[in-house]
Formats: sequence, structure tokens, C-alpha cells
Amino acid sequence: QKEVEQNSGPLSVPEGAIASLNCTYSDRGSQSFFWYRQYSGKSPELIMSIYSNGDKEDGRFTAQLNKASQYVSLLIRDSQPSDSATYLCAVNLGFSGGYNKLIFGAGTRLAVHP
Amino acid sequence: GAGVSQSPSNKVTEKGKDVELRCDPISGHTALYWYRQSLGQGLEFLIYFQGNSAPDKSGLPSDRFSAERTGGSVSTLTIQRTQQEDSAVYLCASSLGTGREKLFFGSGTQLSVL
Repeated sequence: QKEVEQNSGPLSVPEGAIASLNCTYSDRGSQSFFWYRQYSGKSPELIMSIYSNGDKEDGRFTAQLNKASQYVSLLIRDSQPSDSATYLCAVNLGFSGGYNKLIFGAGTRLAVHP
Repeated sequence: GAGVSQSPSNKVTEKGKDVELRCDPISGHTALYWYRQSLGQGLEFLIYFQGNSAPDKSGLPSDRFSAERTGGSVSTLTIQRTQQEDSAVYLCASSLGTGREKLFFGSGTQLSVL
């Protein structure tokens, strides 16, 4: 079993819809979780971090964490064509050591069509 | 500098040759990370530096890979006797070094081994 699993997609949604991206992880001891956005040919960019169970909202983005189910999700409301990118879920296995040993999923490609 | 700088941006080499990849982190960032991203895959952790020491080098694929950091700043990733499977984008990231903070990624070095 991979440490961080994501559906590779592509996930296709119409402009203005809600895009839902999902991620599961295997290490029950994981404490910190991140969503990165990566445009084609570019480096990853952090869009959300979450550490506690529940929801965390930032603008059009909501991250959801359920540690019991080992599940992290990202919701993008009012999706725009500019949101079309690959979204990488990352889990920090180095948190207890005070550093970011991020283990990434393979990413979900999101396509928002007008 | 204003951001994480990596050089070269592209490197084409022949199988069996040695290559050096350079990373210049954001000024004041004590933590530095190397990741590798193969085509269509997520990022793979290689090594973490805190200052000039590397507390975690568990992701280095083989003894052909080595990295050093000098002056708490510039880092060099060296791959000896390159193989075709080493072809990937090598990404460097830096951060303040507390474990919860944002990683800032460089634009990467695309390595192609012929």
C-alpha cells in the first residue's frame, strides 16, 4: 500500500461547480497534512495546511481532515478554469522531529471547463 | 535572494557521467530539502538539511547520490555514474525550519540521461 494515495483523475468539473479532491494515507501517527497545487511545468505551491480533525476554510478552498479514517480532502468552490492543475496531497512524516519530511501522493489532475 | 534558485534549469548528460545540481535557498532559511519528481508522479523525498548537517538522508536512492550544504546556504546534489532511471525533475525547497511552516520550492532542474 502506498503511503499517500490519490485518484489520478482527470477530474473534470464545469466552471462554477465544486471540485472535490480526496486523499488517504497509511501512517496513523501522521500529524500534519498539506495540499499543493502544481501547474504543468511549474513547481508545487502550497495552498492549504491542516493539522486538526474537521474543516479549515481559506477563501474558495476548504480542507477536511478525518484522522480516524485516515482521510484528507480538498474542496474548491466556484471552480475557475485557472484552477486547472494537478493537486498534490502531502503528509509530514517528520513532524515529530521538527521538520518537513513530506510524503506526496501522485496527484489528481483537475480540469475546469468553461 | 527573492526565491529558491536552482541551476541548471535543464541538464542533458550521457549515461555514466557525473552531474552536479545546485540549490540556493531563500536567505535566512535554515532548512533545505531535495525532492525528485519523475514524469506523472508525486514528489519523492531525497534528503533534508538543517544548517549544514543532514539529519535525514533516507530518501537517497543509492550510494551514487550525495549532497552537501556549505555555509548554511548553497546545497549541491551530486549524482555519480548517471543512469537513465535518474532522469527526473530535481526540486529543492527551503523553509524556516520549524516543521509546520511553508516550503518554498525552486523551479527545479530537469535532468535527462541519454
